[in-house]
Amino acid sequence: NAGVTQTPKFQVLKTGQSMTLQCAQDMNHNSMYWYRQDPGMGLRLIYYSASEGTTDKGEVPNGYNVSRLNKREFSLRLESAAPSQTSVYFCASSEGLATYEQYFGPGTRLTVT
Amino acid sequence: RKEVEQDPGPFNVPEGATVAFNCTYSNSASQSFFWYRQDCRKEPKLLMSVYSSGNEDGRFTAQLNRASQYISLLIRDSKLSDSATYLCVVNPQNSGYALNFGKGTSLLVTP
Repeated sequence: NAGVTQTPKFQVLKTGQSMTLQCAQDMNHNSMYWYRQDPGMGLRLIYYSASEGTTDKGEVPNGYNVSRLNKREFSLRLESAAPSQTSVYFCASSEGLATYEQYFGPGTRLTVT
Repeated sequence: RKEVEQDPGPFNVPEGATVAFNCTYSNSASQSFFWYRQDCRKEPKLLMSVYSSGNEDGRFTAQLNRASQYISLLIRDSKLSDSATYLCVVNPQNSGYALNFGKGTSLLVTP
């Protein structure tokens, strides 16, 4: 099992460009999450999906959109990248919202210039 | 006051030492508590859950003090491989998604 996979691993964007971060899990988990992690900050939740077909905002959703494509895949889109979105993005999954062990992907390091 | 606070460290300890980290949380209604481990430039991974009665997993012991609103992690007989950042994680209202992550405590175990 690969667990949680993310692509790309690294990305450099110019201000105003758009891109989609991809995430997939092969653990048959119902719930998926997108976090960002900045130096000196804890992990902050951007969006989450409790189950296939549902998505909800987390703590810092502005500037992002998500799609739960199917049970396996949960993508994060930056429509118009800003330097403030320079960060490491982690996708995670869990059996359900009531299951607290979240499994994280390896992360995407995004730089916006 | 931040919801989850940790001493960022770094804690530099020699191999074989015992080291303890504390973490305080602000929401007295918090129900669930965890320690995650994050290696440099890697993803966080669950180290252990923290139960009211405390729990132990090998060299690692976690304790919860609800009255003072803190949790602790004790590592005995430190190994070089324990070098990492330890994240304190709190579920504030027993709603599954809302995990609040501390900024982490950095541990460096030296030979």
